[in-house]
Amino acid sequence: GQQLNQSPQSMFIQEGEDVSMNCTSSSIFNTWLWYKQDPGEGPVLLIALYKAGELTSNGRLTAQFGITRKDSFLNISASIPSDVGIYFCAGYTGANSKLTFGKGITLSVRP
Amino acid sequence: DVKVTQSSRYLVKRTGEKVFLECVQDMDHENMFWYRQDPGLGLRLIYFSYDVKMKEKGDIPEGYSVSREKKERFSLILESASTNQTSMYLCASSSTGPSQPQHFGDGTRLSIL
Repeated sequence: GQQLNQSPQSMFIQEGEDVSMNCTSSSIFNTWLWYKQDPGEGPVLLIALYKAGELTSNGRLTAQFGITRKDSFLNISASIPSDVGIYFCAGYTGANSKLTFGKGITLSVRP
Repeated sequence: DVKVTQSSRYLVKRTGEKVFLECVQDMDHENMFWYRQDPGLGLRLIYFSYDVKMKEKGDIPEGYSVSREKKERFSLILESASTNQTSMYLCASSSTGPSQPQHFGDGTRLSIL
């Protein structure tokens, strides 16, 4: 089945730094979603992308739908301590497909 | 904002018990989902439902059943709990239509002793 690849599993950055994550697949997706999960909480939707090449921002977060439709990118600018958590990508390959999730990247921010 | 509420944040049960996890959403969503989340394995779909009284198996349905008697409520049932069902359980909902985002509850951390 479809798989979404996120690596590395963990990232460590300094407060104030920018960080970029990507999510790749061998399959074509028509929707990309980015979620953040705080420790002990459920995932929260950050950004949804519906069109190849689309670039969408949510505060300090920016995500892009790759033009090949096989990848997506999330950038966090000027990181702060509350950015720590697990960042998941997810996507749909078609109108009636199930939502596929990446395994997530755990982000740590050093003050 | 969408609100998905799971009845318990933490639950401890014994092997062999029948366990009920409840989930309620307040956005009139047609679709509801149950996942479990384990370190290194990510989110795995257990069961989902597209309408009242309808249910479909996900990727790992063994040992679980579900009930959807009302549109807003989706229950996950562990028929006879086992230690390998110790996990974080997440409920989600989404509206009908292609490629709709799913919205998650805060999760239930279930421990089976």
